[in-house]
Amino acid sequence: DIQMTQSPSSLSASVGDRVTITCQASQDISNDLNWYQQKAGKAPKLLIFDASKLEIGVPSRFSGSGSGTKFTFTISNLQPEDIATYYCQQFNNVPPVTFGGGTKVEIK
Amino acid sequence: EVQLVESGGGLVQPGGSLRLSCASSGINFSRFWMSWVRQAPGKGLEWVVNINEDGSEKNYADSVKGRFTISRDNANDSLYLQMNSLRAEDTAVYYCARVLGYGSRIGLFDHWGQGTLVTVSS
Repeated sequence: DIQMTQSPSSLSASVGDRVTITCQASQDISNDLNWYQQKAGKAPKLLIFDASKLEIGVPSRFSGSGSGTKFTFTISNLQPEDIATYYCQQFNNVPPVTFGGGTKVEIK
Repeated sequence: EVQLVESGGGLVQPGGSLRLSCASSGINFSRFWMSWVRQAPGKGLEWVVNINEDGSEKNYADSVKGRFTISRDNANDSLYLQMNSLRAEDTAVYYCARVLGYGSRIGLFDHWGQGTLVTVSS
């Protein structure tokens, strides 16, 4: 199974800051990588698919990049409503689909 | 409007059974793969199982293989998960989700339900 290592596990930043989360795959997954946002008590929501494509309706301050084994998720201008846990997820050569451990984003 | 609504969760003793349902609307249910994804309390997301459009192909996580069975009723736009021989480690919120992809790349969860909590405890 492909393991996804996400870092950091949590972070605290100020409104307006640029926030970066990384995800590393245990083997090459091309660009078969998605990012989800999960707010407390809610279902996950798809933000980025195929490593860098923004889901319809998602604000442009969210972005993703990378391919192969290293991926990055960025919030360019952190807003209070962005408080959530973010997960990467790979879907290369499935099953199984696997998720990263999550990054909890808080506001300073 | 897209809706996925899970039901059937609750408290069950170890070794017991439970059947979860997921009623859908607005997602062209019969044309897509569907999945169950779970989340233990305070933990991350874990894919459990998926099923193809007509129910002829099913893939299970090793952790549930032989104990859980996924099925679907395309006439009623509904997805099911029969869970047998439940263990404490199956305690989680269970989400149903629509899945996009093709071939060996089935794994883009674009619509999710609100989840239903399953608690396995004596």
